[in-house]
Amino acid sequence: LAKTTQPISMDSYEGQEVNITCSHNNIATNDYITWYQQFPSQGPRFIIQGYKTKVTNEVASLFIPADRKSSTLSLPRVSLSDTAVYYCLVGRPFSGYSTLTFGKGTMLLVSP
Amino acid sequence: NAGVTQTPKFQVLKTGQSMTLQCAQDMNHEYMSWYRQDPGMGLRLIHYSVGAGITDQGEVPNGYNVSRSTTEDFPLRLLSAAPSQTSVYFCASSYSSSSGRDNEQFFGPGTRLTVL
Repeated sequence: LAKTTQPISMDSYEGQEVNITCSHNNIATNDYITWYQQFPSQGPRFIIQGYKTKVTNEVASLFIPADRKSSTLSLPRVSLSDTAVYYCLVGRPFSGYSTLTFGKGTMLLVSP
Repeated sequence: NAGVTQTPKFQVLKTGQSMTLQCAQDMNHEYMSWYRQDPGMGLRLIHYSVGAGITDQGEVPNGYNVSRSTTEDFPLRLLSAAPSQTSVYFCASSYSSSSGRDNEQFFGPGTRLTVL
């Protein structure tokens, strides 16, 4: 299983760009990188997924360097409602050889 | 679409009691899974299913049973509840790996279980 390491917490202010980096040194060739967001008392919500280079959607961007040993989730111009826990996952769920593992995530606190 | 629904939202059990947590999805997803989340922790996979009639164990399967008789439903059974099973339980579903979207799991609202 590819282990991930991400900061326990981060602080930001409204309107700033937030970058959360996740390291996954033993990522396998077939593994994808997926990020989820979780608000208190709710289930996680899928944000973005990527394999290499850069992926962008309406919510965030995901930057993956060529060696794929790390990835960075970028949230542009955060608001108070972006306060949540963000999980970085590496792998393929239910693939038979590995299942996605949720670590403790990064608690992002956005202040006015 | 209702998405992934879970019942009940809250449950209190006594040690040794059994119960079933219900999970249903209306998105025709092939994959379904159960996770538990303890305070300050990430989610840990209990059991999962890649299709009707097929189930497999996750990271923490002891004390739990599952079955998948239909595509829509994936109940989780606690055989003999223990205080260590006090947790929040999440059910999730996703498309199959052949779709390339299996990493996008849709989660239910959770069931908060307390075992006294």
